[in-house]
Amino acid sequence: GAGVSQSPSNKVTEKGKDVELRCDPISGHTALYWYRQSLGQGLEFLIYFQGNSAPDKSGLPSDRFSAERTGGSVSTLTIQRTQQEDSAVYLCASSLARGIQGTQYFGPGTRLLVL
Amino acid sequence: AQTVTQSQPEMSVQEAETVTLSCTYDTSENNYYLFWYKQPPSRQMILVIRQEAYKQQNATENRFSVNFQKAAKSFSLKISDSQLGDTAMYFCAFMADLSNDYKLSFGAGTTVTVRA
Repeated sequence: GAGVSQSPSNKVTEKGKDVELRCDPISGHTALYWYRQSLGQGLEFLIYFQGNSAPDKSGLPSDRFSAERTGGSVSTLTIQRTQQEDSAVYLCASSLARGIQGTQYFGPGTRLLVL
Repeated sequence: AQTVTQSQPEMSVQEAETVTLSCTYDTSENNYYLFWYKQPPSRQMILVIRQEAYKQQNATENRFSVNFQKAAKSFSLKISDSQLGDTAMYFCAFMADLSNDYKLSFGAGTTVTVRA
């Protein structure tokens, strides 16, 4: 595809439910990143993938959050037992290479609202 | 840890005029990269401009230019000849030039409104 795509665009869920957010990176990009954009918290890093491996999960806010990447392409961010404080925009980015060799290109994000 | 500070929550500018957004950062690293990203209402984060810390020359991209002051740890963005399409939130971001670094650290953002 031409750019990073994310689905769904918007998600409303009830507290306690599980949600899955999907990211399709730019074809050929080996590095993939998840960020969270919350009111009052700005943009925070969640997790990074190089291929299918996630060498750094330190940004995940709790063990209710998990992510996987398959085939070196699509990634899914799963939030279990959602809480109201999980409400945010979840942004995915990909780059051709890790670190500064690769500019990060962002998707349009998934806006999650937990009622 | 790196911190990025954008002290202007909101800025307003008349179409065709110039606006400057400020950004300061704190780091102990000597080699790093700085970015300005634009996020319009569509939520898509778009890279506007990037600056390598080892380069003294300020980066420019068409109507966008930066004033990079390494000693002062300052990285401001100037938008010249502002257009209505420039209305967006602008984020300053930092990445260290380390073999194990890949995270972007973002400032809180500045909302820019261009008035017709």
